[in-house]
Amino acid sequence: DTGVSQDPRHKITKRGQNVTFRCDPISEHNRLYWYRQTLGQGPEFLTYFQNEAQLEKSRLLSDRFSAERPKGSFSTLEIQRTEQGDSAMYLCASSLPGTGTTDTQYFGPGTRLTVL
Amino acid sequence: AQTVTQSQPEMSVQEAETVTLSCTYDTSESDYYLFWYKQPPSRQMILVIRQEAYKQQNATENRFSVNFQKAAKSFSLKISDSQLGDAAMYFCACVPNFGNEKLTFGTGTRLTIIP
Repeated sequence: DTGVSQDPRHKITKRGQNVTFRCDPISEHNRLYWYRQTLGQGPEFLTYFQNEAQLEKSRLLSDRFSAERPKGSFSTLEIQRTEQGDSAMYLCASSLPGTGTTDTQYFGPGTRLTVL
Repeated sequence: AQTVTQSQPEMSVQEAETVTLSCTYDTSESDYYLFWYKQPPSRQMILVIRQEAYKQQNATENRFSVNFQKAAKSFSLKISDSQLGDAAMYFCACVPNFGNEKLTFGTGTRLTIIP
């Protein structure tokens, strides 16, 4: 069990550019979550998938954000036309409900985005 | 909807002593889970302890234990025999069972261990 991995770990971009982040969940975890964490705050929910289906999106996820999980394994989060307010840590988590550790989400190391 | 409040932005404790971090929450759900996560500086968030709301017995994990007061909607974390490696941000979180599965976090408590 290698844990949740995210790539890249750090991304610096200029305002207006597009960025894409990748998350690989723990093997066989069917639920995958994206959260955003700004400095001094707790993570805030963005969206989550069960297998390849995106089941819920937060109002924080504007039209410039899109997330996919095409084969029910890894997921990507794309931000188009980045703004300085998008600067944050983007966290991915995964879970496998019903295995005795129901609803425990395991987090990756995060991708820190800086928009200049 | 859930809200989670951590009223202590910062706490410090002498090494080997005991410290308690506070958390209160509000939820309209009858069945939910509560968590404490630890986020060391520049490192990923890891689970410290979890509590099922339907269980009256307080969860324990080695030096970590909780005081779960369901009626008061309080969920504090006690760390015994504090160690330097316990220094981190600690986040309290709540998630409903059989619901949308999204964690609602508090704003965190930064714990400093004094050698």
